[in-house]
Amino acid sequence: NAGVTQTPKFQVLKTGQSMTLQCAQDMNHEYMSWYRQDPGMGLRLIHYSVGAGITDQGEVPNGYNVSRSTTEDFPLRLLSAAPSQTSVYFCASSPLGGGGETQYFGPGTRLLVL
Amino acid sequence: TQLLEQSPQFLSIQEGENLTVYCNSSSVFSSLQWYRQEPGEGPVLLVTVVTGGEVKKLKRLTFQFGDARKDSSLHITAAQPGDTGLYLCAGVGIIQGAQKLVFGQGTRLTINP
Repeated sequence: NAGVTQTPKFQVLKTGQSMTLQCAQDMNHEYMSWYRQDPGMGLRLIHYSVGAGITDQGEVPNGYNVSRSTTEDFPLRLLSAAPSQTSVYFCASSPLGGGGETQYFGPGTRLLVL
Repeated sequence: TQLLEQSPQFLSIQEGENLTVYCNSSSVFSSLQWYRQEPGEGPVLLVTVVTGGEVKKLKRLTFQFGDARKDSSLHITAAQPGDTGLYLCAGVGIIQGAQKLVFGQGTRLTINP
């Protein structure tokens, strides 16, 4: 099992550009989520999905879109990148729900927006 | 507003010393998790505590959930350089009508040889 994989590992964008961060898991987990990690802020939930075709907003959803067409994939789209979106992005999955279960994290994508 | 406050945010101690990291909230959580994160990697779950007053041990690490399920602590005995990392607590609670995981801001621990 590869677990949770994320691509790319690093990305530099200019303000206003768009891009998609990829996330895939091979554990057949229903629940997937995206977090951003900023210094002194811990991990903050952006969007999450409880299964294919179902997504919902987390704590900091503005400027991001998600979709869940398959159980395996959960891409995160930045519509028009802003410097405030410079961060490290983590995708996570768990078997059923978003709480109480082990969250399996990917290795992260480091994004710099100039 | 940080729902979970961790303290200290930074801690640097010598090998062999003991330390305690705290995770506090005014909210009640159904369970609480502790993760450790190495540089360049995602967090990895260490333990989940569920019952108020519960104590779990993982080798030299002792985790405790407060009686009121609002706080938790992580105690490391005889710290070793391999314990260096970012420690994150995460509480499971109902937020905006759905069960979600809320993270503290983390404690960056450095153990010096």
